[in-house]
Amino acid sequence: GAVVSQHPSRVICKSGTSVKIECRSLDFQATTMFWYRQFPKKSLMLMATSNEGSKATYEQGVEKDKFLINHASLTLSTLTVTSAHPEDSSFYICSAREGLAGSSYEQYFGPGTRLTVT
Amino acid sequence: KNQVEQSPQSLIILEGKNCTLQCNYTVSPFSNLRWYKQDTGRGPVSLTIMTFSENTKSNGRYTATLDADTKQSSLHITASQLSDSASYICVVSARYSGGYQKVTFGTGTKLQVIP
Repeated sequence: GAVVSQHPSRVICKSGTSVKIECRSLDFQATTMFWYRQFPKKSLMLMATSNEGSKATYEQGVEKDKFLINHASLTLSTLTVTSAHPEDSSFYICSAREGLAGSSYEQYFGPGTRLTVT
Repeated sequence: KNQVEQSPQSLIILEGKNCTLQCNYTVSPFSNLRWYKQDTGRGPVSLTIMTFSENTKSNGRYTATLDADTKQSSLHITASQLSDSASYICVVSARYSGGYQKVTFGTGTKLQVIP
């Protein structure tokens, strides 16, 4: 199956700083990328959907100025958590798909990034 | 409101035994249902995908069933192995007019296989 990578796998940052998480599709062109966060023992919660070259669509309750998403190329999307707070500590997972949002192409998930804000 | 409920929440079984995980959904209009395996601290990995017309799909020791009438799905694991210990997530997609799809995740079943 297709491979999606994330970097870093774990990151610890101080409160008030910003941290960037990268998501790459390694062997296919990801027209659409999704960002999720997952709290312990909880299901994945969609944060935003982005199509390459256009602005991300954020889910209700997700602050777009706090969680900056850039999908500048067909193989790379980045999530920047700005002015991080301890409550932002979570497991962030990206997913990539070849088709546009709404298509039936398979979604492939990255391995996740564990963010801890101290 | 689209919802996906899974049961049991957690399950412990002996290595070599079989088990069945359940998924009930109220997602509409239904497009497809996927089962994912998520190891602790890792991203989900797809096991099976079924559309409306499919009522069973196998992937090795994993067999998924779908009853679109009752909106229920199950994932049967045969001859469990220690490496099957993970969370299993049921994911249902709705497809709206214009082709837009929205995905709803279940809360998962945490399976632990013990020697």
